[in-house]
Amino acid sequence: GAVVSQHPSRVICKSGTSVKIECRSLDFQATTMFWYRQFPKQSLMLMATSNEGSKATYEQGVEKDKFLINHASLTLSTLTVTSAHPEDSSFYICSAHLAGAADTQYFGPGTRLTVL
Amino acid sequence: AQTVTQSQPEMSVQEAETVTLSCTYDTSESDYYLFWYKQPPSRQMILVIRQEAYKQQNATENRFSVNFQKAAKSFSLKISDSQLGDAAMYFCAYRTSNAGNNRKLIWGLGTSLAVNP
Repeated sequence: GAVVSQHPSRVICKSGTSVKIECRSLDFQATTMFWYRQFPKQSLMLMATSNEGSKATYEQGVEKDKFLINHASLTLSTLTVTSAHPEDSSFYICSAHLAGAADTQYFGPGTRLTVL
Repeated sequence: AQTVTQSQPEMSVQEAETVTLSCTYDTSESDYYLFWYKQPPSRQMILVIRQEAYKQQNATENRFSVNFQKAAKSFSLKISDSQLGDAAMYFCAYRTSNAGNNRKLIWGLGTSLAVNP
């Protein structure tokens, strides 16, 4: 149980284009999902908290207009990197919060974004 | 603000032996959660173990156990009978239990564990 999928696993795009990453909780509903960015051999950096049916809460320093988050259902959150540039190249990870007794975040497998 | 410190950037252990990864944290709260996550080379984050601060009993999951010292704000992870598949980055994380909607995890920098055959 508590499986989170992420799609795509890898994406290469040209500078200036937009890329959408999907995060799905496959066997549970998640009112809260999280989006992280991880640089090589570093810890996770929280970008934003995605709340179903409401606006995302962004961490300080994260550009809302660049990293668009939509959490339209209890099983799906999307992150769109708009007008991507090479400095946006990174590993993006989502997690979904399983409420109740577990009360724990479960993670997707991540998406490697490369912007040329 | 809460912080999590993992003072060992790298550790190594011989296969079948025991290793302990350290984690300390700073908080003024009395009720919270602590987690250990594992990130193998595939980069999939996997929950290893979870501890609720109000529980005195140390959490265990098969070969993984914690030594939770609330007064000392210490939360170490012990891996017994280490296996090659245990090689990974291990992250310690903290979360308040006074959530409301704030379920953010506060992360340590991680410890890279190598398992030698």
